[in-house]
Amino acid sequence: EPEVTQTPSHQVTQMGQEVILRCVPISNHLYFYWYRQILGQKVEFLVSFYNNEISEKSEIFDDQFSVERPDGSNFTLKIRSTKLEDSAMYFCASSGVQGAAGELFFGEGSRLTVL
Amino acid sequence: KNQVEQSPQSLIILEGKNCTLQCNYTVSPFSNLRWYKQDTGRGPVSLTIMTFSENTKSNGRYTATLDADTKQSSLHITASQLSDSASYICVVSVKRAGANNLFFGTGTRLTVIP
Repeated sequence: EPEVTQTPSHQVTQMGQEVILRCVPISNHLYFYWYRQILGQKVEFLVSFYNNEISEKSEIFDDQFSVERPDGSNFTLKIRSTKLEDSAMYFCASSGVQGAAGELFFGEGSRLTVL
Repeated sequence: KNQVEQSPQSLIILEGKNCTLQCNYTVSPFSNLRWYKQDTGRGPVSLTIMTFSENTKSNGRYTATLDADTKQSSLHITASQLSDSASYICVVSVKRAGANNLFFGTGTRLTVIP
């Protein structure tokens, strides 16, 4: 069964360092997303990506964040200068259909710990 | 304000017993409601998706109900197993253009004990 894969599963970094989280969405999907979940809290939308550009982003997704699809398979989330409050699980998701009708498939997540 | 509330926050049941998790929402205009299972430290996995016209939907031992009039949904788990221990998240979609149209609940943490 096709799945969304994410790397690394866990990353520990010092405050102020850059972090890149990687995702390989399901191959025939066109819509890609990043979500985050701070420990004990609900899943929050960060950004959606379609046709090689950001289609929507939340207030959380400030200038410290960026996304890229450097090749035909990878989808990355970069945090330029990490802060303590960036510590969270980051989930990549993909769907074949945009919006409310589309079933979302999540990856296993990347746990980011900022010290 | 679009919100999704779940109850209880956590639940402990004996293996083999049934349980029901609740979800109330104020999301409008409603598109569909999803239940996800999230194992600790893992990504959410879809259990069911229900549209406005569907009252009930089953996936194995999981049965979801939807009352669009009262804006309530429930997830019933039959004959619980140890592997059912997880967080169960209710997610409601709103009909709007764009991608950020999912509203997540905080989840119910279910623990099944032998």
